[in-house]
Amino acid sequence: AQSVTQLDSQVPVFEEAPVELRCNYSSSVSVYLFWYVQYPNQGLQLLLKYLSGSTLVKGINGFEAEFNKSQTSFHLRKPSVHISDTAEYFCAYYSSASKIIFGSGTRLSIRP
Amino acid sequence: DVKVTQSSRYLVKRTGEKVFLECVQDMDHENMFWYRQDPGLGLRLIYFSYDVKMKEKGDIPEGYSVSREKKERFSLILESASTNQTSMYLCASSPDTWLYFGPGTRLTVL
Repeated sequence: AQSVTQLDSQVPVFEEAPVELRCNYSSSVSVYLFWYVQYPNQGLQLLLKYLSGSTLVKGINGFEAEFNKSQTSFHLRKPSVHISDTAEYFCAYYSSASKIIFGSGTRLSIRP
Repeated sequence: DVKVTQSSRYLVKRTGEKVFLECVQDMDHENMFWYRQDPGLGLRLIYFSYDVKMKEKGDIPEGYSVSREKKERFSLILESASTNQTSMYLCASSPDTWLYFGPGTRLTVL
């Protein structure tokens, strides 16, 4: 079965520290992968997407993600986080059945 | 910029009421979706639509129906609201494989 697994439900980090949010997927076919961000009391916003081409994808707000086919991973990274990055982050996968499958989310909390 | 709007940010209804949640997008997208979001359960797909008057069930369609009479509008209907339908409801539209979300409607059923 196709699925997306976010390995950490919560990630606390200090301001200006680097962060990595982990995402693994399972699929036997071509993949399209996404990261979305949800700020408190808002809808989700597309952070970045991998459709094809370069495995390193850059998104908004200084985030980037790397597609690793051999490890079936799509981890999200930022070299230095800011208080405003406090949010919930969702990894998602586009399936051939034309439905988008979401991971369970990772809550990123930034400590000053 | 793509804009997806939802008719209400907050809504309080009573058990048994019929509830309409409206969603409008302004980018001529063919694909539209309704999700509900609950703590610990993530996002779950209720219904989606690939064209006017077309609809398909998602993972949790029970207790819900939808209407897509015009391309830009996708309505979610709770025929008889129940307390277990208290949730955040998110509408989204899609040009291809990614989604643009509305701000969400937090529905409380008393």
